[in-house]
Amino acid sequence: EDKVVQSPLSLVVHEGDTVTLNCSYEVTNFRSLLWYKQEKKAPTFLFMLTSSGIEKKSGRLSSILDKKELFSILNITATQTGDSAIYLCAVLSTGANNLFFGTGTRLTVIP
Amino acid sequence: GAGVSQSPSNKVTEKGKDVELRCDPISGHTALYWYRQSLGQGLEFLIYFQGNSAPDKSGLPSDRFSAERTGGSVSTLTIQRTQQEDSAVYLCASSSFNSRATAGGYTFGSGTRLTVV
Repeated sequence: EDKVVQSPLSLVVHEGDTVTLNCSYEVTNFRSLLWYKQEKKAPTFLFMLTSSGIEKKSGRLSSILDKKELFSILNITATQTGDSAIYLCAVLSTGANNLFFGTGTRLTVIP
Repeated sequence: GAGVSQSPSNKVTEKGKDVELRCDPISGHTALYWYRQSLGQGLEFLIYFQGNSAPDKSGLPSDRFSAERTGGSVSTLTIQRTQQEDSAVYLCASSSFNSRATAGGYTFGSGTRLTVV
């Protein structure tokens, strides 16, 4: 059975801290891993990772995939209160019709 | 439209009643997905439509759930004889074939929060 496990489930940090969110997966015919940010209801796309070891970066956010160890991390540096959200990890398998999501990590950044 | 539009944004219904949730995808997007997000849970896949192909209904949790997509555009998710465990946020997403393959480009709507009392 496919599995996507995110940790921690929730995290509270102070503004300016750096956080690392984890996503491990067990899926057949892995194709890509995606990260989404969900602030209110609609998740918004952050990154798609297909190859191991290649960091994707957008501002203070970055992510990397390890296909040998079957995990990805999402780093956020110099956190701001606007980073408070649920961060969702999802996996797409070859031949699958849908993304398979983890339960998410709820990040709260306090001033 | 410019984005994926869902209605209503909130729905409170009595146990046992039927509800219909609507999703209007981005114009030209051939793929449409319904997901459910229960409190503290990740997104649970429900159903997928792609063009004129038969829908993938493998995620529907029971026969009380059904969905249709008319004219390859608007989709309606129907829940019959609602139960309290159906309370969740129902999210719709759409994508074009190319965006799904390259940018992982699901565009989500803002969802419908369903509360069954």
